Amino acid sequence: DAEITQSPRHKITETGRQVTLACHQTWNHNNMFWYRQDLGHGLRLIHYSYGVQDTNKGEVSDGYSVSRSNTEDLPLTLESAASSQTSVYFCASSESQGRADTQYFGPGTRLTVL
Amino acid sequence: DQQVKQNSPSLSVQEGRISILNCDYTNSMFDYFLWYKKYPAEGPTFLISISSIKDKNEDGRFTVFLNKSAKHLSLHIVPSQPGDSAVYFCAASIHNTDKLIFGTGTRLQVFP
Repeated sequence: DAEITQSPRHKITETGRQVTLACHQTWNHNNMFWYRQDLGHGLRLIHYSYGVQDTNKGEVSDGYSVSRSNTEDLPLTLESAASSQTSVYFCASSESQGRADTQYFGPGTRLTVL
Repeated sequence: DQQVKQNSPSLSVQEGRISILNCDYTNSMFDYFLWYKKYPAEGPTFLISISSIKDKNEDGRFTVFLNKSAKHLSLHIVPSQPGDSAVYFCAASIHNTDKLIFGTGTRLQVFP
């Protein structure tokens, strides 16, 4: 069965370190998204990609970067982790372009920055 | 500025009764709306959606109502079951985009 996976599921790091969160989907979806979930804010979009070599900033992109070298993967990098980036991170993917479509979410990564 | 708002952070309902979760939006360009359900330690899962050309969509125990003039949608769950206890997110999208704007979520607890 097709799926979307994230790794690691839990990560503790220190302020200033670079951290990369992995996202891998086997749906063969063109679109991939990264969100963070925080109490009182719901799910906020960090970065998204409509296909290979395409990346775009979401509403809370500062301090994060992504790259899309193939269809299956969209790793999220925190260049220099800050305590404000302690959160639960979700990756999602969807098929269509040019219209809204159901997004399928991974299980999430809980990141703690000390 | 929160374009999609869920003003009730939590809701408690007895098993067998109706659960009504509400969502308001401010952007009149939104034309597609979705509800997601999220259990602890899991990712959100799609529940039901509605296009702005409709005012109601039903799927089993779940019905979503859309009132465009009031910029309001609601999710009805009838009858509510303990397994429905979860956080529910409302999301909205604009035609010709693939992005979803999420609300802050409502935690539903269904008790026996």
